[in-house]
Amino acid sequence: NAGVTQTPKFQVLKTGQSMTLQCAQDMNHNSMYWYRQDPGMGLRLIYYSASEGTTDKGEVPNGYNVSRLNKREFSLRLESAAPSQTSVYFCASSEAPGTGRGGYTFGSGTRLTVV
Amino acid sequence: ELKVEQNPLFLSMQEGKNYTIYCNYSTTSDRLYWYRQDPGKSLESLFVLLSNGAVKQEGRLMASLDTKARLSTLHITAAVHDLSATYFCAVDKGYSGAGSYQLTFGKGTKLSVIP
Repeated sequence: NAGVTQTPKFQVLKTGQSMTLQCAQDMNHNSMYWYRQDPGMGLRLIYYSASEGTTDKGEVPNGYNVSRLNKREFSLRLESAAPSQTSVYFCASSEAPGTGRGGYTFGSGTRLTVV
Repeated sequence: ELKVEQNPLFLSMQEGKNYTIYCNYSTTSDRLYWYRQDPGKSLESLFVLLSNGAVKQEGRLMASLDTKARLSTLHITAAVHDLSATYFCAVDKGYSGAGSYQLTFGKGTKLSVIP
């Protein structure tokens, strides 16, 4: 039972380069999320997808785009990386609202450094 | 805007002692989560609190929720070194109209248990 799988685990980019962070879940969850974690800031929501075919902005969406490819996969793209995007990125998924325990499952994270 | 405040942000305690971490939030919610994070690792779900007065215990940790006071506590009993980690509370934003719950995190409490 893999849960939420993120790739890559580590990445170094030069300013201005682009890249896509991949996330896949095998729990048949409807909702998926991208968070970034910075020291002393907790986790902040970048984008989320309530269900397949929908995406919405979170608290800190600037500089990012997302794609909900299918029910399992939710990718995060940095079109032109900036040093301020150096962070640890976590993907998460959850059941549809109003069902189950509403728990969230997190991936192992991607450590991104932009130089 | 939902705000989640944890205190203390740093906690150093001796083995065998008891202590409480507090989590206050600014708007009505009846879903609160506690997570543990070890350095360089992902978030591990500890407790899901889904109603006023909910109390859950696992080993030396006990979490409670008072939705009227908008307060959750994480109580540590007879701390041991293995409990050293960062603990986050997170509050569900609730149904947003887009069909998805969203988590807002506190900044975390870094706990160090000294032998």
